[in-house]
Amino acid sequence: QITLKESGPTLVKPTQTLTLTCTFSGFSLSTSGVGVGWIRQPPGKALEWLALIYWDDDKRYSPSLKSRLTITKDTSKNQVVLTMTNMDPVDTATYYCAQFFGGWFNYWGQGTLVTVSS
Amino acid sequence: DVVMTQSPLSLPVTLGQPASISCRSSQSLVYSDGNTYLNWFQQRPGQSPRRLIYKVSNRDSGVPDRFSGSGSGTDFTLKISRVEAEDVGVYYCMQGTHWLITFGQGTRLEIK
Repeated sequence: QITLKESGPTLVKPTQTLTLTCTFSGFSLSTSGVGVGWIRQPPGKALEWLALIYWDDDKRYSPSLKSRLTITKDTSKNQVVLTMTNMDPVDTATYYCAQFFGGWFNYWGQGTLVTVSS
Repeated sequence: DVVMTQSPLSLPVTLGQPASISCRSSQSLVYSDGNTYLNWFQQRPGQSPRRLIYKVSNRDSGVPDRFSGSGSGTDFTLKISRVEAEDVGVYYCMQGTHWLITFGQGTRLEIK
């Protein structure tokens, strides 16, 4: 059974750096073709893909946020970490991590709501 | 960027009636391997997205057969043959063909 779970702060202040961790089970990020991605959803709005890391450490970022994002993996811990710098209230959203394989997101975490406010 | 445009954005449907959602991409979604990585997700209120359809027309395990996907190139459709109460939520198309993954704006299905 594949599961993913996001963890991190629920409240960050403007200009701070957000660090989110995705802890997963049921698959390995060392398996060829597998990736883990981050997607966010502002309240009442659409899904927005942020970043993706593959089994071979290839990393992809949304161009609009690339300068603020870093994605890393720890295969031994089954974790993927996303950092986003210079947080702003418009970054308030539910952040999801999801397994990516075969050209789509197969399994999603429950999401974690991050509010940016002073 | 590949822009995914869904219509309608709001879809009121009577129980038992059919529903159809369109998704159009700004570029062809046919990949070099011949596959088309167009997927449909359902997001029920308060839940995470759940994939319904992958590669245009393949239903995921556990997805009722009243859901079907079709299309090619840049023009795709999700159809629900008979809407049930549990189908309420927002539906998104997503393309995984081009490395910059993009989602549609979402279509909110509600019961009339």
